[in-house]
Amino acid sequence: GQQLNQSPQSMFIQEGEDVSMNCTSSSIFNTWLWYKQEPGEGPVLLIALYKAGELTSNGRLTAQFGITRKDSFLNISASIPSDVGIYFCSRGVVKTSGSRLTFGEGTQLTVNP
Amino acid sequence: NAGVTQTPKFQVLKTGQSMTLQCAQDMNHNSMYWYRQDPGMGLRLIYYSASEGTTDKGEVPNGYNVSRLNKREFSLRLESAAPSQTSVYFCASARGRSYEQYFGPGTRLTVT
Repeated sequence: GQQLNQSPQSMFIQEGEDVSMNCTSSSIFNTWLWYKQEPGEGPVLLIALYKAGELTSNGRLTAQFGITRKDSFLNISASIPSDVGIYFCSRGVVKTSGSRLTFGEGTQLTVNP
Repeated sequence: NAGVTQTPKFQVLKTGQSMTLQCAQDMNHNSMYWYRQDPGMGLRLIYYSASEGTTDKGEVPNGYNVSRLNKREFSLRLESAAPSQTSVYFCASARGRSYEQYFGPGTRLTVT
C-alpha cells in the first residue's frame, strides 16, 4: 500500500500567497519527484531531487530533499490561478526488473483570484 | 513529437465485457508503465515493462493483463471488467532506468 504521507490534503489560498506542502516516508529513499496534475490531464513532472539536502528551483517552485532522506518539501511562491491542480510527491524504487515510482495521495490546490 | 498517447479517451463497459487500452510513446523510451487513479488514492502501479519483451506486476495487477507489443507500444487488457475497475488509467514512459516518467492524457473508464 501507500508508504508516503502527503500533507495537506487540500489547500485554498488567495492569489499572491505562498504555498508549502510536504511528503514524508517511514523509509529512506534516494529520489524524490514532484508532479502536478491539472484537471483532465496526466501528471507532469515539476522537479526531481537526487541528493539529501538538495534544493532545486523551477521558476516559482522550489523543492527540497530532506536531510534525513525521509521527507521532501515543495514551495510555490506568489501563487497564480494557473497553479490550480493536484500536486503529487513520489519516490523512486529500483527493482531488478526496473525502476518504479510510488506516489503520495496528492495535495489539491485551489487559488482564488 | 506527441509524447505519450492513449486511446480511447473515454469508455463505458458493462460488467463482464473485455477491452484493451492502448498506449504509445515516440520518445524512444525503454520503460513503460500503467497506473490507475482513484479519488483520494493517488496513482497506483498496475504493471510495468522495463524493456521490450519484459513485463512485471506492480501494486494492483489483479484483473489486468499487459502486452509490450514493441518498444513504442504497451497495452492494458481487462478480460472481464468489474465495477471496481472504474477508474482513470494512465500510461507513462521513462528513458532507461530513469525515475523521470512522462504521462499520457489518460483513459476514463466506467464499468456499469
